[in-house]
Amino acid sequence: QKEVEQNSGPLSVPEGAIASLNCTYSDRGSQSFFWYRQYSGKSPELIMFIYSNGDKEDGRFTAQLNKASQYVSLLIRDSQPSDSATYLCAVNRNNNDMRFGAGTRLTVKP
Amino acid sequence: NAGVMQNPRHLVRRRGQEARLRCSPMKGHSHVYWYRQLPEEGLKFMVYLQKENIIDESGMPKERFSAEFPKEGPSILRIQQVVRGDSAAYFCASSPDGDYGYTFGSGTRLTVV
Repeated sequence: QKEVEQNSGPLSVPEGAIASLNCTYSDRGSQSFFWYRQYSGKSPELIMFIYSNGDKEDGRFTAQLNKASQYVSLLIRDSQPSDSATYLCAVNRNNNDMRFGAGTRLTVKP
Repeated sequence: NAGVMQNPRHLVRRRGQEARLRCSPMKGHSHVYWYRQLPEEGLKFMVYLQKENIIDESGMPKERFSAEFPKEGPSILRIQQVVRGDSAAYFCASSPDGDYGYTFGSGTRLTVV
């Protein structure tokens, strides 16, 4: 079982729709969870982090965490073509090193 | 604050040569991480270092790969006797404390010919 699993996609949504990205992780002791966005040929950039069960909102982005189900998600409201990128889920284990999923490629069509 | 600096941005090596990749963390960051990314794939953890210490190298191949983060100077990822399969983007990240997420450098694209 992979430490962090994501659907590779591609996920395609029309402009203005909600994009939903999902991630599961295997280590129950994981403490903090991150979403990174990576444009093609560029380095990952942090867009959201969440530590507690529930929802965390930041602008058009909402991160959701359910530790009992070992599940993290990212919702992007009012999706824009500029949101087209690969979204990487990352999980920080107790020993402070992070494991990444393979990423979900999102395409937002105008 | 200059961010995480990696150099070179692009590196071409012939099979059997050595590759040295350098990473200077953000000011005040004492945790350094190296990841490898193949085209269309996610980031694969290689090694986690703090100053003068390797904390976790479980993702690093046992042969040909080594990493260091000396008291002075950048962190170095060294690949000896490179092979074509080593061609990838190598990203370095740093953090002041791993709980707050990492800042990534722009990566070094290694091509082995």
